[in-house]
Amino acid sequence: DVKVTQSSRYLVKRTGEKVFLECVQDMDHENMFWYRQDPGLGLRLIYFSYDVKMKEKGDIPEGYSVSREKKERFSLILESASTNQTSMYLCASSPGTGGNTEAFFGQGTRLTVV
Amino acid sequence: GNSVTQMEGPVTLSEEAFLTINCTYTATGYPSLFWYVQYPGEGLQLLLKATKADDKGSNKGFEATYRKETTSFHLEKGSVQVSDSAVYFCALFTGGFKTIFGAGTRLFVKA
Repeated sequence: DVKVTQSSRYLVKRTGEKVFLECVQDMDHENMFWYRQDPGLGLRLIYFSYDVKMKEKGDIPEGYSVSREKKERFSLILESASTNQTSMYLCASSPGTGGNTEAFFGQGTRLTVV
Repeated sequence: GNSVTQMEGPVTLSEEAFLTINCTYTATGYPSLFWYVQYPGEGLQLLLKATKADDKGSNKGFEATYRKETTSFHLEKGSVQVSDSAVYFCALFTGGFKTIFGAGTRLFVKA
């Protein structure tokens, strides 16, 4: 089975801290994604990566950055956490491009910024 | 641009009731369509998919038919259970790198 693992289920951080959210996938997928999920807003794409060291902005990249030094690992960085970044963060991966490509998700990290 | 619209929730049903969650899409070309489910405290997981017009995806008693003429992919189940309580997301993939998700519909099933 495809496995996407996020390093933490719950995190509490202080305003202004630098926060790292880690995601690892074990299926050699080319594409990896970071979403945030908020009530009433569904999933919004923050950043994605289609290859090592490649990254593209999604719909809401402000206040975030990403790193992909190895194919299996995709990190989301909150440079200076703010309370409006309190949310559920979901990592996903998918295998290249194709007509029926599905995304595989991690279990999510619920981040609270106080 | 490409988009997905699904019915707002929450939807509240009694056990064994019939379920329909509506989903319509706007897309260029020939997208693949998906339903994902998110159980409480978990990430999303694929429920079913359809890759071309008139295909029917099915899994765990859920079904959805890819209707190109109405640009729809409605999710149905004949008899829901309490364990079906979750958030359901309709999604489309048109190629490239991104899957586009609807806003999600929360389903509550009462015993």
